[in-house]
Amino acid sequence: GAVVSQHPSWVICKSGTSVKIECRSLDFQATTMFWYRQFPKQSLMLMATSNEGSKATYEQGVEKDKFLINHASLTLSTLTVTSAHPEDSSFYICTIAGGPADTQYFGPGTRLTVL
Amino acid sequence: RKEVEQDPGPFNVPEGATVAFNCTYSNSASQSFFWYRQDCRKEPKLLMSVYSSGNEDGRFTAQLNRASQYISLLIRDSKLSDSATYLCVVIRGGKLIFGQGTELSVKP
Repeated sequence: GAVVSQHPSWVICKSGTSVKIECRSLDFQATTMFWYRQFPKQSLMLMATSNEGSKATYEQGVEKDKFLINHASLTLSTLTVTSAHPEDSSFYICTIAGGPADTQYFGPGTRLTVL
Repeated sequence: RKEVEQDPGPFNVPEGATVAFNCTYSNSASQSFFWYRQDCRKEPKLLMSVYSSGNEDGRFTAQLNRASQYISLLIRDSKLSDSATYLCVVIRGGKLIFGQGTELSVKP
């Protein structure tokens, strides 16, 4: 069964609105979750590392005030795209690492379209 | 230059063909290596890990050459269901770094 869930699976919104994406770890507690973004025909790019109970770590070039990450519990991280614009339209995927081999588990992704 | 580079695609092959994917990585501090498969509009799924000794899983063979920082994936007797994008992935400093992917289309 799924180890990681994301909600919603897809969302369409108007430019200027904010969108919240949830990532849940279903099988184990995750102190760290990762958020990736994938534009069409491009590779997945790490946006930020979400740390439970502390601030997220953002990759270079990712605006922390635009992509708000909250990791309030060991099973839930949220990514809020604030004041979304068409160029934010992308496939957002979260991952967690766990198990004896530190396997990476991928969420099913959230497809965001900003009109 | 991207840290992980793959063959540009797409590859269009007939059923039964053997297909080889190549990947190079630029950072020698890379620790672990994988091939993932991504179907259209879906999340990537782990295909196999890659080791210097080489590893095989059915029709799939992966190889790592640390000296030349090169990773390969060979698919034998390709099936229609192998059509997907194949992503070369390395782990460095605990982070997954993805290649841009090579699209494979297997035709009847």
